[in-house]
Amino acid sequence: DTAVSQTPKYLVTQMGNDKSIKCEQNLGHDTMYWYKQDSKKFLKIMFSYNNKELIINETVPNRFSPKSPDKAHLNLHINSLELGDSAVYFCASSQEFPGPGVVGANVLTFGAGSRLTVL
Amino acid sequence: AQSVTQPDIHITVSEGASLELRCNYSYGATPYLFWYVQSPGQGLQLLLKYFSGDTLVQGIKGFEAEFKRSQSSFNLRKPSVHWSDAAEYFCAVGARGSNYKLTFGKGTLLTVNP
Repeated sequence: DTAVSQTPKYLVTQMGNDKSIKCEQNLGHDTMYWYKQDSKKFLKIMFSYNNKELIINETVPNRFSPKSPDKAHLNLHINSLELGDSAVYFCASSQEFPGPGVVGANVLTFGAGSRLTVL
Repeated sequence: AQSVTQPDIHITVSEGASLELRCNYSYGATPYLFWYVQSPGQGLQLLLKYFSGDTLVQGIKGFEAEFKRSQSSFNLRKPSVHWSDAAEYFCAVGARGSNYKLTFGKGTLLTVNP
């Protein structure tokens, strides 16, 4: 199946731990994203990568570090987890990097989400 | 910076009834506009999008939306709702001035009564 796949789907951990979420897309897309959805379902972009290059870095704590080993993978590592990090993290991809005349831009394909619970 | 407002947090309709979900955006130029749907425990799926041209756009699952520049709105409609349409609906705007990143509204939860 062509898709955006994330692992793990559920992650329960203690405060202070370090954890990673992995994302892979086999759609041949150039751009990948991490979004955070809080308990009120509000979705906010965290990072965007285009061909392994960081493009968007919102005001996210330094404890969050994305890594893109190739354009099909975008992983999210979180250090020193805090209670407020509990959320659903969505990976997404889009065909091209958004830009003038790029009609396909911004049409995101989302993964199913990774629910992180910090105790 | 762009912003999106979905005034209705929760809407309940009867199966077979018509539906309209409201979305208002704030952006200084022509935006890119989207509606996504999220079923419980799932990721978001694109319903439809507006980039330019015809202001009435058709999407999947029988949904349509109309871009009204004068009202800064992009409301989602469906003439007859099915029980399977129960989900969370998100309006989003993408804009040139912010690396084209998407800004999402806070969502509208749709409940469908039998």
